[in-house]
Amino acid sequence: DARVTQTPRHKVTEMGQEVTMRCQPILGHNTVFWYRQTMMQGLELLAYFRNRAPLDDSGMPKDRFSAEMPDATLATLKIQPSEPRDSAVYFCASGLATQTGWSGYTFGSGTRLTVV
Amino acid sequence: GESVGLHLPTLSVQEGDNSIINCAYSNSASDYFIWYKQESGKGPQFIIDIRSNMDKRQGQRVTVLLNKTVKHLSLQIAATQPGDSAVYFCAENMGDTGRRALTFGSGTRLQVQP
Repeated sequence: DARVTQTPRHKVTEMGQEVTMRCQPILGHNTVFWYRQTMMQGLELLAYFRNRAPLDDSGMPKDRFSAEMPDATLATLKIQPSEPRDSAVYFCASGLATQTGWSGYTFGSGTRLTVV
Repeated sequence: GESVGLHLPTLSVQEGDNSIINCAYSNSASDYFIWYKQESGKGPQFIIDIRSNMDKRQGQRVTVLLNKTVKHLSLQIAATQPGDSAVYFCAENMGDTGRRALTFGSGTRLQVQP
């Protein structure tokens, strides 16, 4: 089965350090999403890309978060500097948007980030 | 694994019983809906979807019902098994299908008692 691959699975870092999370979307999908999941807020959309171009990043704190797609096989989410409140599970998802709707809106296994 | 949400509504059922998980959505323009299952320590997993031109769709042991009049979605799981224990999310596409990201509900925890 095709799947979305995220690395690392777990990351523990000290406050103030830079964190980079990576995602390999499913081949052929034209849209990549970044979500954050916490106990209190549930699943929050941070940003998403269509054909590698940012479509919406309104959910992302701009001062410290950045998201990019250097190529069609890699999406990155970077936090600099990291803060304890950034501790969460970060999910990448990819899907194929067509004229009739979504096809294969699929999540990766997530990166569990702990900032101490 | 991480517990999703301190105050998630919880549905507890006996193994073999049928389960019904409900979801209310807010946007009458929503035209596409998906149910996801999330097990502890894993990402949300697609279960079944339905478009707004349908009222019902069936999969293997699962059925999704859509009532657009009252903006309500339900997931029925037949002969619930211990492996069905997880958090279930409904997600809606608020119009402009394929152009916007899905919006997720807060989830319901299903506990299956052996």
